[in-house]
Amino acid sequence: SQQGEEDPQALSIQEGENATMNCSYKTSINNLQWYRQNSGRGLVHLILIRSNEREKHSGRLRVTLDTSKKSSSLLITASRAADTASYFCANVIQGAQKLVFGQGTRLTINP
Amino acid sequence: DSGVTQTPKHLITATGQRVTLRCSPRSGDLSVYWYQQSLDQGLQFLIQYYNGEERAKGNILERFSAQQFPDLHSELNLSSLELGDSALYFCASSPQGVLVYGYTFGSGTRLTVV
Repeated sequence: SQQGEEDPQALSIQEGENATMNCSYKTSINNLQWYRQNSGRGLVHLILIRSNEREKHSGRLRVTLDTSKKSSSLLITASRAADTASYFCANVIQGAQKLVFGQGTRLTINP
Repeated sequence: DSGVTQTPKHLITATGQRVTLRCSPRSGDLSVYWYQQSLDQGLQFLIQYYNGEERAKGNILERFSAQQFPDLHSELNLSSLELGDSALYFCASSPQGVLVYGYTFGSGTRLTVV
């Protein structure tokens, strides 16, 4: 079964607006990562946040992590049409050597 | 170009057949991971190799096998194919383990079993 779950499953916003996606996970983690996938293509690593970090920024991306709630959020500010993609959170379960992916959020940016 | 090369990009084959998917990791990466992505199951971890040795196994069927060669490229063998094996198969690599590094994904092999 999937370790993480993204919410919402689909999100449609206007260009220029901010997009927020949430991710919940079940067990203790070493780190949590976010990936983007354009339709039918390979996943691209966006950002990694360690379990002892609470917030991380990368360009227009902001990721937060709340280990007490076992949740993370990805904020994309000033969205662009090129941000249209599926976004996945993935985490490394403590003691494991693999990433476990959620089902993803399908983000559509309308011009 | 991510640096991870997967071949072929597309594969159409009949049920009962056997296919081999190939992956060349990014230069310097020692770990290779295989994932299967289907609409109903999402991204499922299959298997990991590190420097030629199997390190972790996931939801990999007995009909599937993999190996990593001394030059670090990896092959995923799928046999006795069924319609349900139709999916995108991704290979990813990382320098060592995944604890501190993200994965670099290839562009995938789309397998269609007819």
